[in-house]
Amino acid sequence: AQSVAQPEDQVNVAEGNPLTVKCTYSVSGNPYLFWYVQYPNRGLQFLLKYITGDNLVKGSYGFEAEFNKSQTSFHLKKPSALVSDSALYFCAVRVLNRDDKIIFGKGTRLHILP
Amino acid sequence: DVKVTQSSRYLVKRTGEKVFLECVQDMDHENMFWYRQDPGLGLRLIYFSYDVKMKEKGDIPEGYSVSREKKERFSLILESASTNQTSMYLCASSSSSYNEQFFGPGTRLTVL
Repeated sequence: AQSVAQPEDQVNVAEGNPLTVKCTYSVSGNPYLFWYVQYPNRGLQFLLKYITGDNLVKGSYGFEAEFNKSQTSFHLKKPSALVSDSALYFCAVRVLNRDDKIIFGKGTRLHILP
Repeated sequence: DVKVTQSSRYLVKRTGEKVFLECVQDMDHENMFWYRQDPGLGLRLIYFSYDVKMKEKGDIPEGYSVSREKKERFSLILESASTNQTSMYLCASSSSSYNEQFFGPGTRLTVL
């Protein structure tokens, strides 16, 4: 079955330290991968996507993600965390079948500690 | 600035009531989606639509129906609300499945 997994429910990082939010996927064919962020009481906002090309993708707010085909991973990273990065982060993958829909992970809550 | 709007931020209904959740996008997007978000379960797709008057079931369509009479508007209908439909409902739109989805602010529905 095609799926996406976020193995950590919560990640705590000290302000100024690098952060990583993990995502692994299982799809048929070439994956289309996305990261979204949700701030409190708001809808999801798009951060970045991987369709093809460079394995390192840069997105909004200084975030980047690395596509690793051999490990079927698409981890979200930022070199120096800010308190304002505290939010709920979702990884998503496009499912390649006739319905052509997106599957979301269960989300990872990121806490940046001042 | 692109925008997806939802008719209500908070809604309280009683068991058995018919509930309408409205979503409007101003980006001329073909695709529109309804999700529900529950703690620990992430986003689950209820219904989606790739064109006017077209609809497809998502992963959890039971107890819901949808309507898309105009390109910009996608409505979610709870025919007879039940307490297990208490949730956050998110609407989204996109120009294609290759591109990102734009989300509305969500409607927090409580069914008593």
